[in-house]
Amino acid sequence: SYELTQPPSVSVSPGQTARITCSGDALPKKFAYWYQQKSGQAPVMVVYEDNKRPSGIPERFSGSSSGTVATLTITGAQVEDDADYYCYSTDSSGIHRVFGGGTKLTVL
Amino acid sequence: QVQLQESGPGLVKPSQTLSLTCTVSGDSINDSGSYWSWIRQPAGKRLEWIGRIYPTESTDYNPSLKSRVTISIDTSKSQFSLKLSSVTAADTAVYYCAREAYCTTTSCRFDYWGQGTLVTVSS
Repeated sequence: SYELTQPPSVSVSPGQTARITCSGDALPKKFAYWYQQKSGQAPVMVVYEDNKRPSGIPERFSGSSSGTVATLTITGAQVEDDADYYCYSTDSSGIHRVFGGGTKLTVL
Repeated sequence: QVQLQESGPGLVKPSQTLSLTCTVSGDSINDSGSYWSWIRQPAGKRLEWIGRIYPTESTDYNPSLKSRVTISIDTSKSQFSLKLSSVTAADTAVYYCAREAYCTTTSCRFDYWGQGTLVTVSS
């Protein structure tokens, strides 16, 4: 079955840039999406279609994708960005939805 | 504002069938541009897509769960439902319903989610 691979954890100090990667064989042909999940809450989309930002999401969140790796970048991370981040995409068939293993971002 | 709300038993016995319903408000469940999905998350683990349904009742399921999953839709009640049979402790998770919309040729976004409901499988 198709898998998306993320690092388990990333740690930065406030104001630094955090980068979270997501690797998947189908990413050259499929969009990546990024979701932020804080403890006990439903996920919230922070980037869609590789590099687009939904309304209401701070400009410090951005996305990119090159080859088999998609990247979520938080420029000038804030304490409130401390959360789990999941990438999401589809397999090569375009039907089956897959989430990455999640990355715990610590901003401390 | 689109809202989704999960409902159903919080405790299910092993080998029985888990049944949940998602009630949609603020949007027409008949919207031809939207799919309606179920996603779950065991404690401390990744999100897992279970499956989705289109208003025409066309469905797609996660291959790993396909043999046990049925998703149905009742447009008159603006609801869609999940049934997962032969449950075990491994099915204990927070279950979310979500809208999947703004589809491109290759994918869609999960743009609205329910708050999630914890289902525990235990005797």
